[in-house]
Amino acid sequence: SAVISQKPSRDICQRGTSLTIQCQVDSQVTMMFWYRQQPGQSLTLIATANQGSEATYESGFVIDKFPISRPNLTFSTLTVSNMSPEDSSIYLCSVEWQVEAFFGQGTRLTVV
Amino acid sequence: QQQVKQSPQSLIVQKGGISIINCAYENTAFDYFPWYQQFPGKGPALLIAIRPDVSEKKEGRFTISFNKSAKQFSLHIMDSQPGDSATYFCAAVSTSGTYKYIFGTGTRLKVLA
Repeated sequence: SAVISQKPSRDICQRGTSLTIQCQVDSQVTMMFWYRQQPGQSLTLIATANQGSEATYESGFVIDKFPISRPNLTFSTLTVSNMSPEDSSIYLCSVEWQVEAFFGQGTRLTVV
Repeated sequence: QQQVKQSPQSLIVQKGGISIINCAYENTAFDYFPWYQQFPGKGPALLIAIRPDVSEKKEGRFTISFNKSAKQFSLHIMDSQPGDSATYFCAAVSTSGTYKYIFGTGTRLKVLA
């Protein structure tokens, strides 16, 4: 299995600012995924991050708003830029390990 | 074609009862169908999963039934307990591609004591 540490676990941020979320995995993995989960909703994939290449973004998500870094096979960051209240959500890091998806505990972001 | 439809949106069951959650998909390229359980403040965790070469898989009180021709699968929780109260997500994956998970909309289960 893969154990994922994600931080911060929660934050309250002012609109117009940026927040960087960190994701650390205890194993080397090829692909890491970032999801958004709005209150009471399902998981929506933001982007797939492979080490050594640009992240691949899903429809509706752009790099300027959600820049992602993937410096090595165990670590990734997601930045939520120029935040607005609509960005209030839970952000989840995930990895695929032998088909199964493992998730971090999530970052609950509130933008005020 | 990439959607996974899940129902019901919410479910209330008495302790000891059977909880049933249903999912349907369109894309025949999907070949792995997991169910995830999520408690408040936690990330989703794998509960049970099935591949389309079998029609049923059972692990303890949890059973997946799979109907390949109808492109439907369901989760059955037998002898439901208050500790099962959580949100459940089905998902569909194509393991020949980028392992991109397509999640259902979720079912909020409450088991009454």
